[in-house]
Amino acid sequence: RKEVEQDPGPFNVPEGATVAFNCTYSNSASQSFFWYRQDCRKEPKLLMSVYSSGNEDGRFTAQLNRASQYISLLIRDSKLSDSATYLCVVNEGSGAGSYQLTFGKGTKLSVIP
Amino acid sequence: GAVVSQHPSWVICKSGTSVKIECRSLDFQATTMFWYRQFPKQSLMLMATSNEGSKATYEQGVEKDKFLINHASLTLSTLTVTSAHPEDSSFYICSARGGAEGKLFFGSGTQLSVL
Repeated sequence: RKEVEQDPGPFNVPEGATVAFNCTYSNSASQSFFWYRQDCRKEPKLLMSVYSSGNEDGRFTAQLNRASQYISLLIRDSKLSDSATYLCVVNEGSGAGSYQLTFGKGTKLSVIP
Repeated sequence: GAVVSQHPSWVICKSGTSVKIECRSLDFQATTMFWYRQFPKQSLMLMATSNEGSKATYEQGVEKDKFLINHASLTLSTLTVTSAHPEDSSFYICSARGGAEGKLFFGSGTQLSVL
């Protein structure tokens, strides 16, 4: 069974803190990787794609380790508005433009004042 | 940017009734749409892939006669939960690929509560 595993949390951190989430996936043939953000009873929204070389978007940094089948998300200078559930998503589709997404259960983050 | 509209946002119904959920791509054509279900504190689970003009492809364990999918146009897919029961209560979300980069966009979801 293809799985995406995440620590469910919750992670309760003060404003301004740095927090990191980890994710592991079981299918070594997975093609692409994403972090989504989901607020309570809302649709997931793409936060960022995850590239092999690692990538950064403002306060967010994503890393991928294919050998260990491990993905991470680092949030610096946490804001209250960062409070949400962060979903690790793995695309297991083969071929260009193919989408077979497997979602992790998510890691809940609460940023407290 | 690409927008996917889903309606209704929430619905409460009696056990045994059928509920229809609509998913529309507002500014792009979507030959393929996806239907997901999410139970509380669980991950999104793909139920089926909706293909315009042909039959939907259902994931293992999803009853195609209970969850009817119709994708009659390039901008609309519908999911009908037939003879809904309390165990069908869940958050249903559709998605479609759109935009210049073919990214996946999600509808706003439908919270279904079956009494």
